[in-house]
Amino acid sequence: GDSVTQMEGPVTLSEEAFLTINCTYTATGYPSLFWYVQYPGEGLQLLLKATKADDKGSNKGFEATYRKETTSFHLEKGSVQVSDSAVYFCALSHSGGSNYKLTFGKGTLLTVNP
Amino acid sequence: DGGITQSPKYLFRKEGQNVTLSCEQNLNHDAMYWYRQDPGQGLRLIYYSQIVNDFQKGDIAEGYSVSREKKESFPLTVTSAQKNPTAFYLCASSMDWGTDFTEAFFGQGTRLTVV
Repeated sequence: GDSVTQMEGPVTLSEEAFLTINCTYTATGYPSLFWYVQYPGEGLQLLLKATKADDKGSNKGFEATYRKETTSFHLEKGSVQVSDSAVYFCALSHSGGSNYKLTFGKGTLLTVNP
Repeated sequence: DGGITQSPKYLFRKEGQNVTLSCEQNLNHDAMYWYRQDPGQGLRLIYYSQIVNDFQKGDIAEGYSVSREKKESFPLTVTSAQKNPTAFYLCASSMDWGTDFTEAFFGQGTRLTVV
């Protein structure tokens, strides 16, 4: 079945540091890929998405590129801020027979210190 | 404003009691979902519904029940059969256009604690 593996946290960075959170997936066919962010005590918000190979999703300075050859969708940001402290989830969905749900990774807690 | 509303935000339940979590959306989305979140576990799918009056079990449906009588509402009942119900519950919705999946929108969650 489908699965998503993301780097375990917690990740602690200083403000303005470079961020990478690794995400790899296992799925048949051509899934869509997502990054969601969850701030403390809240639900999930879509951060960015990519629906086909070599697409780059970007939002709020975050980027991720859909790499089918390595089945990866790593999240990056060039300069993190304290306000980026949150839990980040990588997820996939199928466009096809199994398009009814998202499969999530376990989440990576990011803490950014001033 | 369009969105998904979950209520209550915090809920306490005595052992042996059933409890119902509310989820309402005004986004005119066809599909709705319930997820359970536990520390270090990510999100696990409990139930989902693609159309009114139809729903399917997810990965961890045992001890839970749902209904979908209206497009905008998808309540979740945590029954006394659920052995470990303390968790954070998230409701989501998405436009389900057959093979064209779009992103899911989430509510703010309900934290359920068994006392």
